[in-house]
Amino acid sequence: GENVEQHPSTLSVQEGDSAVIKCTYSDSASNYFPWYKQELGKGPQLIIDIRSNVGEKKDQRIAVTLNKTAKHFSLHITETQPEDSAVYFCAAITGGFKTIFGAGTRLFVKA
Amino acid sequence: GAVVSQHPSRVICKSGTSVKIECRSLDFQATTMFWYRQFPKQSLMLMATSNEGSKATYEQGVEKDKFLINHASLTLSTLTVTSAHPEDSSFYICSARDPGMNNEQFFGPGTRLTVL
Repeated sequence: GENVEQHPSTLSVQEGDSAVIKCTYSDSASNYFPWYKQELGKGPQLIIDIRSNVGEKKDQRIAVTLNKTAKHFSLHITETQPEDSAVYFCAAITGGFKTIFGAGTRLFVKA
Repeated sequence: GAVVSQHPSRVICKSGTSVKIECRSLDFQATTMFWYRQFPKQSLMLMATSNEGSKATYEQGVEKDKFLINHASLTLSTLTVTSAHPEDSSFYICSARDPGMNNEQFFGPGTRLTVL
C-alpha cells in the first residue's frame, strides 16, 4: 500500500551544524511533498513544501530536494539553532489526494 | 498561511460520556477537512476525511459510530467521541485543505483528550 519511510527517527546535532532528514515514498503518482514541524503539545506547522515539477526549493535556512526517479525527498536545515528542536514529519500527497505521513524525526539541537 | 482553530485545546471527561471537538477554518472555506489521532511519540494517523455536505469517509479500523463527524459548513467540522473510554485518550488534530492555496493542508493546534 501507500507508504512513506522517514529516517532517522532521532537526530542530535550541535548548534550551528546542519541536519538532514530523508524520506522515501511508494506511490509514484505522488506530486506534492510537504514538511511539517511539530512542537510539544501543538499541531504540525508547514515549514516548506515541494511539488513534483521542481527538484529543489530553498527558504532561508531550510531546503528540500526531490528525486522523483528514486522516490526520495530530503529536508536540509543549515546553521541549526536550539529553537529548531522539534519533531519533523515528511508527507506525500498520493494520487488519491490522501496525505501519507512519515513516522517523524525527533531533532535535538544542542547549544 | 491559513489558520485552523480547534476547541477545546484540552478536555478531561469521565468514561461513558461523549466529547465534541470543533475544527474551524478561520480565513478560508474548506470543502475538505481531516481528522487525525496521534499517540505519544508517534506519527499522525488519519481517522477520517470530512466533506462539507456529505458523509465522512472513514479509514479502515476506525468506527464511524464511535467517532461521529459532522461537516455542517465550509468552515466547521466537528468530531464527537461517543461513550468515551480510557483507550480513547489521545491527541486529536484536525486539518483543512485550502483550495485557494493549491490545496495546501493546514493543521489545527490539536485537542488533548483524557478519559478517566
